Amino acid sequence: DAGVIQSPRHEVTEMGQEVTLRCKPISGHNSLFWYRQTMMRGLELLIYFNNNVPIDDSGMPEDRFSAKMPNASFSTLKIQPSEPRDSAVYFCASSRVGGQDTQYFGPGTRLTVL
Amino acid sequence: KQEVTQIPAALSVPEGENLVLNCSFTDSAIYNLQWFRQDPGKGLTSLLLIQSSQREQTSGRLNASLDKSSGRSTLYIAASQPGDSATYLCAVRPLSGSARQLTFGSGTQLTVLP
Repeated sequence: DAGVIQSPRHEVTEMGQEVTLRCKPISGHNSLFWYRQTMMRGLELLIYFNNNVPIDDSGMPEDRFSAKMPNASFSTLKIQPSEPRDSAVYFCASSRVGGQDTQYFGPGTRLTVL
Repeated sequence: KQEVTQIPAALSVPEGENLVLNCSFTDSAIYNLQWFRQDPGKGLTSLLLIQSSQREQTSGRLNASLDKSSGRSTLYIAASQPGDSATYLCAVRPLSGSARQLTFGSGTQLTVLP
């Protein structure tokens, strides 16, 4: 298996622009997680899906952030409009429901908002 | 709210030394605890997962212990190598509720000097 796939790996955009981050989880995994990592706040869970349904979005910082999972093999995290304080590395992770529940992380998308 | 603390924030040791990384958490009602490794510019790789009923897990030169009642876990690395240089994060999963989120510590940045 190729592991969790994220795209793009790097994104540089200007304030006010829309940004869309993409994730393909590991095949057969039922849970998907979006995290944000910054030096100041460390690794924070933004939202997670179980069987394509958003379960907990309490970590989404504000209405400018939205996430979707239209099917079991694809998810997006959208920021509209983007702001410089959104600059961070965004990770997607997936896991099986139940069992040992190990989360497998993608390589991340480094977002820079100018 | 669960809080996870890792001390020290950074550690530098000569090659060959045995070392211990520490993780503490405030709420002992956990489902499991995981140790991850993060290399610069990369995602997280799961190293060891300890269920709440277990006391330790071993993988190669790594040994993780869990003392749930005192809210502590340690990651022991034997005979350290320069390739072990990375940031090590611990994360706990809550016992209750349907949430699958992990609460992460801020990590210990390990440098093993050749």
